Parts: sequence; structure tokens; C-alpha cells
Amino acid sequence: DTGVSQDPRHKITKRGQNVTFRCDPISEHNRLYWYRQTLGQGPEFLTYFQNEAQLEKSRLLSDRFSAERPKGSFSTLEIQRTEQGDSAMYLCASSVDWAEAFFGQGTRLTVV
Amino acid sequence: GENVEQHPSTLSVQEGDSAVIKCTYSDSASNYFPWYKQELGKRPQLIIDIRSNVGEKKDQRIAVTLNKTAKHFSLHITETQPEDSAVYFCAASLTSYDKVIFGPGTSLSVIP
Repeated sequence: DTGVSQDPRHKITKRGQNVTFRCDPISEHNRLYWYRQTLGQGPEFLTYFQNEAQLEKSRLLSDRFSAERPKGSFSTLEIQRTEQGDSAMYLCASSVDWAEAFFGQGTRLTVV
Repeated sequence: GENVEQHPSTLSVQEGDSAVIKCTYSDSASNYFPWYKQELGKRPQLIIDIRSNVGEKKDQRIAVTLNKTAKHFSLHITETQPEDSAVYFCAASLTSYDKVIFGPGTSLSVIP
């Protein structure tokens, strides 16, 4: 599969635990985006990278959230001290500088 | 920042009829307007897009129109089929490779 890959697909965690998600973009895509989607809503922008540089972070991204893209390839999104309100689908997308982004299948997080 | 509104939130049509979804945006700097289709449990998929230098674009049964002065854009699906049933999101962005701001979505049901 040469599309955007996200791991894991599903994650159930207890409130207060830390979780980390991984996104592997399409090969040679230099831009990588993270979005969050709750049930019945459109995806909300969280942050994005151009190569390894994090260019923008949404105000939605509290201090408990951190994203990295250390070598400009895959990216990780970590949520510390999870809360029930963090339950959502976390979507990753990637693109090149002149074209639209393609989305991964997402990681569905459930905080119990 | 950009805000995208979308109407209606739900739409039910008979197979073969047309469906129209309307959106407005707030940021006059937006120049790229993609439309995504999301089936239950799947990733958003780009179905058509339009750039600000174009007023209308058509791809088989799907057409989009853009009125940049009024900050309105619309999706038209003709000869609807049951497989068109999904949630449709309009969105706005500065360019095709910038962060995308999504509308809240329209749940389309095509009744056989």
C-alpha cells in the first residue's frame, strides 16, 4: 500500500495514560498534517510539518499534545495525561508542495 | 481565522434526482476549495476541487461552482446513485497544500 499509513488503527486507553500515534506519509511527500475528527463533525486542523519543521499549531493543540517529525519522514503525535474529551479519530495527511493532500485511515482513540 | 459553514446538515434524495450542498467561507484570502466524501468508518477522499481563478468545474456527475465575491461555493451531484450516500465536507484553504479548514459536513442519503 503506497498511501498514507497510520498506526495503530484503534487505541483504547485509560484516562490519565499517555498515547502515541504514528503516521507514515506517502513517499517523498514533504508536507504532513494532523487533524482530529469527532463524531458528526468535520476534521479539525491540529498541526503541520514541512519536512522536519513544524510550521503551525492550532490553538486546539493543548500543552498535553506534541507532534514530531524528526527526519522529515514519519511523524508521531503524543497525547499526555489523556482525558475523555480526547476521544476522537486522529487523521494524518500528506502532500507535496504543489498538490492536494491525501488522508490516512486514521487512528481511533477511545479514552475510558 | 477561516470559518466554513455548510448547509444542509442532512439531505435525502430519490435515486436519479440531483443533490446540492452549499457552503460559505469567511477568509477572502482562501483560494482553494476542495470537497471530500467520507463513507462510514473510512478516510475523507477528495472528489473534486476548485481554485479561485475558476468559477465552475465539472467532472462527470459532479460539478462545483464558486462565487468569490459572495464567498459562496456549491457542490452539485446529478443522477444520484445509492453509492453516493456518504458525508460530504466542503473546505477552504490558502492553497492546495496548506492546512484545510473543513465545514461541518452534509450527510447525503440516496434512496433507491
